[in-house]
Amino acid sequence: ETGVTQTPRHLVMGMTNKKSLKCEQHLGHNAMYWYKQSAKKPLELMFVYNFKEQTENNSVPSRFSPECPNSSHLFLHLHTLQPEDSALYLCASSQEGRLAGGPYEQYFGPGTRLTVT
Amino acid sequence: GQNIDQPTEMTATEGAIVQINCTYQTSGFNGLFWYQQHAGEAPTFLSYNVLDGLEEKGRFSSFLSRSKGYSYLLLKELQMKDSASYLCAVTGFQKLVFGTGTRLLVSP
Repeated sequence: ETGVTQTPRHLVMGMTNKKSLKCEQHLGHNAMYWYKQSAKKPLELMFVYNFKEQTENNSVPSRFSPECPNSSHLFLHLHTLQPEDSALYLCASSQEGRLAGGPYEQYFGPGTRLTVT
Repeated sequence: GQNIDQPTEMTATEGAIVQINCTYQTSGFNGLFWYQQHAGEAPTFLSYNVLDGLEEKGRFSSFLSRSKGYSYLLLKELQMKDSASYLCAVTGFQKLVFGTGTRLLVSP
């Protein structure tokens, strides 16, 4: 596997279900991101992990819970979602420096198309 | 706060040249990215500008004016495969903020 992979590619879940999205990067990067992409809206940054530490939580509802067990893997745990949470969820990674500056070029995964019924 | 504006949609003909503009207002600026996103696929990196001026890369060029908060992406010798959304994103305080994207339709 190369680049950034995401599973599953498509997910349909009910509002009472619990599911998880998985992202894996094979680029040796030290930062990973979750984005939400809804129709006719800009890509919205949800979470940032830098050197496995969460450095950004962009006012995301608690029904979304990220987990970063190591620098190559990122999960997004979902529970009691709402229909308006239906969107494309994109994972990205980049190689960040510890000094000010950046972010640097981000490499995106193919995304998970989530439908909440 | 941060605000990024791009046209929603543009159309052009195969073989032509098209310029996609992006204006931005940000608190803190470290650079500007352009990404291409085909329908149903991940965004892919096209260019990065941190200094004023034009960066050329094959058929694609990107321009930045930091004083004007303005960038454009220039696509030459358009091909049908260039039909996609083009996302402008600005960086500040180690965070990327994206515009809504410009959907480009290339016709024969």
